[in-house]
Amino acid sequence: SQTIHQWPATLVQPVGSPLSLECTVEGTSNPNLYWYRQAAGRGLQLLFYSVGIGQISSEVPQNLSASRPQDRQFILSSKKLLLSDSGFYLCAWDLGTGHGYTFGSGTRLTVV
Amino acid sequence: AQKVTQAQTEISVVEKEDVTLDCVYETRDTTYYLFWYKQPPSGELVFLIRRNSFDEQNEISGRYSWNFQKSTSSFNFTITASQVVDSAVYFCALSEVGYSTLTFGKGTMLLVSP
Repeated sequence: SQTIHQWPATLVQPVGSPLSLECTVEGTSNPNLYWYRQAAGRGLQLLFYSVGIGQISSEVPQNLSASRPQDRQFILSSKKLLLSDSGFYLCAWDLGTGHGYTFGSGTRLTVV
Repeated sequence: AQKVTQAQTEISVVEKEDVTLDCVYETRDTTYYLFWYKQPPSGELVFLIRRNSFDEQNEISGRYSWNFQKSTSSFNFTITASQVVDSAVYFCALSEVGYSTLTFGKGTMLLVSP
C-alpha cells in the first residue's frame, strides 16, 4: 500500500535560518507531488507541485523553493526564513487528475 | 476558471444534531471531479469522498451522505446524528481534467459540543 512520510512534525526556527522539509512517498511510482501551506486563517495555499523528477511548478513567488531529486522525494527549502513563513506545511501526492490527494501528516513551522 | 465556495465559515451544533456543509463550485469543463476532505485538530487532511461529474447519484457512508446536484453546481455534505469526533475543518475541492492541482474551498469549521 502507498504511504507518505513527512518530517519533522514540529519545527521552531529563528528568523534568517535555513529550512529543509522532506516528504517521501512509498508504494507507488511517478506520483504528482505537492506542497501546501496553511496559515492560521485555515485556507490551503498551493506552493509548489511536481509532475516528475526535476520538474517544479511554483504557484506563489516567495521565500521558498522546492526540489524533487528522486521520483518519490519532494523537498521544501528556504535559505533565510521570514516570520511570515510560519504555518502548517502539508505534502501531498496523487496519480493524476481525478484521483484526489493523499496528504502527509504535516509540519508545523514557527519562525521566531 | 475553477472556483469552490464554502460560504459557511463555522458551524456549531450539539451532539446528535444533523448538519449540512455547503459547497458550490464553478467550472467550464463538463468533466471534473469533486472531493471532500476532513481536517481534525491533529492537522492531517483525510480524504472522505470523490465524485466525478457524470455520476450524480447521492452517496451514503454510515452517518455521512453527499448530495451532488449539477443543476445548482453544488456538492453538499450531511452528517447525521453528529458526534464530538466530527469536530473538524471540512474542505470541498474541485479538479478539472488536464489540471494537476485541486482547487480547495476555504473550509468550514464544524464544532460539535456534547
